[in-house]
Amino acid sequence: RKEVEQDPGPFNVPEGATVAFNCTYSNSASQSFFWYRQDCRKEPKLLMSVYSSGNEDGRFTAQLNRASQYISLLIRDSKLSDSATYLCVVNGGYSGAGSYQLTFGKGTKLSVIP
Amino acid sequence: NAGVTQTPKFQVLKTGQSMTLQCAQDMNHNSMYWYRQDPGMGLRLIYYSASEGTTDKGEVPNGYNVSRLNKREFSLRLESAAPSQTSVYFCASSEAPRVTQYFGPGTRLTVL
Repeated sequence: RKEVEQDPGPFNVPEGATVAFNCTYSNSASQSFFWYRQDCRKEPKLLMSVYSSGNEDGRFTAQLNRASQYISLLIRDSKLSDSATYLCVVNGGYSGAGSYQLTFGKGTKLSVIP
Repeated sequence: NAGVTQTPKFQVLKTGQSMTLQCAQDMNHNSMYWYRQDPGMGLRLIYYSASEGTTDKGEVPNGYNVSRLNKREFSLRLESAAPSQTSVYFCASSEAPRVTQYFGPGTRLTVL
């Protein structure tokens, strides 16, 4: 099983739709989880952190299921500007000397169409 | 705050040439990272520096060297470029013990 797996998509959804992405991870000792957003030919940017049972930020909701080892991202009322690739990122734990290793999924591509 | 800056933005090299990618951050972060991103492969860690004066190998270190020049700057060197090193290179930094990483705009490198 790969460390962090995502459906690459693309997910093509109309404006105003609700869309959800899932991400599974293999390391049961993983301590924290993130969703990053990456626009075409740009750098990844933090969208949300997911530390416990999940959290919500406006139209975005992230959920964590430790028992099944997956996290999800729900986007409500999709906007054209939400079109991007969404990267699932998992912190496998402390690697020493104050540094934390992150494992990045390959990303799920979302296209919101008018 | 400029955040994380990288130079150059684009570079074309011939096989066997060498070059250094520069990265600087102004967020007073302790940890810095170099990643490469290839189509279908996602982000892969090349090297990281937990703090000034320390560097460690990541997932794909072969063919690269790094220098943590000071707390702000972390450079990546290709001694003898190969076509397999054609990629987009991202530098990132984080404030230990927090794990959120902040990325620079990337360097697009082509090796012919």
